Amino acid sequence: AQSVTQLDSQVPVFEEAPVELRCNYSSSVSVYLFWYVQYPNQGLQLLLKYLSGSTLVESINGFEAEFNKSQTSFHLRKPSVHISDTAEYFCAVSAFYFSGGYNKLIFGAGTRLAVHP
Amino acid sequence: EAGVVQSPRYKIIEKKQPVAFWCNPISGHNTLYWYRQNLGQGPELLIRYENEEAVDDSQLPKDRFSAERLKGVDSTLKIQPAELGDSAVYLCASSLTTGQGYADTQYFGPGTRLTVL
Repeated sequence: AQSVTQLDSQVPVFEEAPVELRCNYSSSVSVYLFWYVQYPNQGLQLLLKYLSGSTLVESINGFEAEFNKSQTSFHLRKPSVHISDTAEYFCAVSAFYFSGGYNKLIFGAGTRLAVHP
Repeated sequence: EAGVVQSPRYKIIEKKQPVAFWCNPISGHNTLYWYRQNLGQGPELLIRYENEEAVDDSQLPKDRFSAERLKGVDSTLKIQPAELGDSAVYLCASSLTTGQGYADTQYFGPGTRLTVL
């Protein structure tokens, strides 16, 4: 079974400062990794995902995450945040099956990023 | 392209009353998910449909919860009777399952916030 731990429930940061949201996972099999963002009163939106290949993945709005297999981590980073980045961020993991088939998402508890002017 | 549509957005009921949530997935998506998100936690899968078939309902409390996906499109999730502990946000998501062993992106609706008094 897989599990996800998001180490910080809340992260306050000033605008234009860098930020890192931490995510660790546990799994006995290979995994896919995801970051979702939830803005107030909206559904979850996929921010970025790691399936295979390069361990550094990027989103279109400046976020990036690095898959570290040895540390079982998938931390999310942004070098300079904006007020509009204020949201809840969820890390999720899905087991990878070579035979294909079902990929159940297991979510962490979320990290609330609050960007202050 | 329209996203996942859910209704109602908010529902307040007294305990022991029935309640139903409706979901319309993205057009063409064959897989539909219902999640429950408790306050301060990440979403947890309740049930997953592939077309009309419920292929994973292991986390659905079958004594009071039921779901259906007629004609493989819209879906309804019902609780009868509701309990205080059912207060949560109920999220619907959909995806196009390719069956190629890759993690299919799930698209989430805005959710229905249920309050049981």
